[in-house]
Amino acid sequence: AQSVTQPDIHITVSEGASLELRCNYSYGATPYLFWYVQSPGQGLQLLLKYFSGDTLVQGIKGFEAEFKRSQSSFNLRKPSVHWSDAAEYFCAAPMKTSYDKVIFGPGTSLSVIP
Amino acid sequence: NAGVTQTPKFQVLKTGQSMTLQCAQDMNHNSMYWYRQDPGMGLRLIYYSASEGTTDKGEVPNGYNVSRLNKREFSLRLESAAPSQTSVYFCASTAIRTATDTQYFGPGTRLTVL
Repeated sequence: AQSVTQPDIHITVSEGASLELRCNYSYGATPYLFWYVQSPGQGLQLLLKYFSGDTLVQGIKGFEAEFKRSQSSFNLRKPSVHWSDAAEYFCAAPMKTSYDKVIFGPGTSLSVIP
Repeated sequence: NAGVTQTPKFQVLKTGQSMTLQCAQDMNHNSMYWYRQDPGMGLRLIYYSASEGTTDKGEVPNGYNVSRLNKREFSLRLESAAPSQTSVYFCASTAIRTATDTQYFGPGTRLTVL
């Protein structure tokens, strides 16, 4: 079955440190891929999305993600984390059988130590 | 421009009671979605409406019904609530199709079924 996995349930980093959140997908062809962020008590907000072309995608709040077809990965990165980045992060991809449906990964919870 | 709004924000029900969750968007989007979010499971699609007048089942439709009242509004009804429906419910919308368009999320409804 098609799936989006995020191997890390919870990550803690110090403020100012770099961050990488992992996302893997099971997909035949090059997929569309998304990263969303959910701040505590809020709905989800799009960070960035990949459709085609340049495999390094820039998003809001200083985030970027790199698509690697060989590894079926779309990892999210930030060079220097701020305390306000503490949130839940979700990777997502549309279903192969229906572009009206999206599969979300289970999420990675990020804590930031001051 | 309020984006996606949901009411109520919180609700406590007893087993067997019914209720309707309301969702409205003011972005003239065609597609609307209802998700539930449970710890460690990401977001799971309950129902969606690709356009006004159409609705389709998602991943976990059992125990729910929906109505796309008009282009702006998409409601979710629990006819006989069960404890397993305790969750946070999110409504979302996209301009056209989820695969390529950003999803805009409401703030969520936290539902507890006793």
